[in-house]
Amino acid sequence: SAVISQKPSRDICQRGTSLTIQCQVDSQVTMMFWYRQQPGQSLTLIATANQGSEATYESGFVIDKFPISRPNLTFSTLTVSNMSPEDSSIYLCSVEGGQILGGYTFGSGTRLTVV
Amino acid sequence: KQEVTQIPAALSVPEGENLVLNCSFTDSAIYNLQWFRQDPGKGLTSLLLIQSSQREQTSGRLNASLDKSSGRSTLYIAASQPGDSATYLCAVKDTGNQFYFGTGTSLTVIP
Repeated sequence: SAVISQKPSRDICQRGTSLTIQCQVDSQVTMMFWYRQQPGQSLTLIATANQGSEATYESGFVIDKFPISRPNLTFSTLTVSNMSPEDSSIYLCSVEGGQILGGYTFGSGTRLTVV
Repeated sequence: KQEVTQIPAALSVPEGENLVLNCSFTDSAIYNLQWFRQDPGKGLTSLLLIQSSQREQTSGRLNASLDKSSGRSTLYIAASQPGDSATYLCAVKDTGNQFYFGTGTSLTVIP
């Protein structure tokens, strides 16, 4: 079963700076997913990261703002660039599989506050 | 596009009470449905998954049911405890492997 280690767990950042979030999976997975959860909202998919190819971004999200790396089948990073207070959210990575076959497993989340 | 709604948005119950959380979805052509728990400021913990061919799944004090034809799922929590206080999210995976999250129910169990 897949276990995801996500870091940092939280950060407070100055506007205009960038933060890179890392997710490490203990098994090889084809796709990794990055989500954003704004305060009081449900999860919104940012992009799907495949190893060896460009990430696929959902409507409303662009690579310049949220560049993603996927150097191998167990690791991915999401960068939140040129941050503004509106980027304050919880960011989560996810993979298919894990403890529940056919389901999805999530990282512990990164709580980002931009001041 | 699939839309997933959860009612109520918030629920407060005394300890020991049995309770039901509701999840509805607009497109019955789903692959599976998963219930998650989220503690404040944290990630998601998977609770139960129901395949489209199944009617219910049980884990300990939790029971999830699925009525695909009516677009509904319920999460039943028996003998609630203060440690059950969290936000509960349902998520539907459609046949195209897209994943849609509900709006969540914030549960508070009062000691």
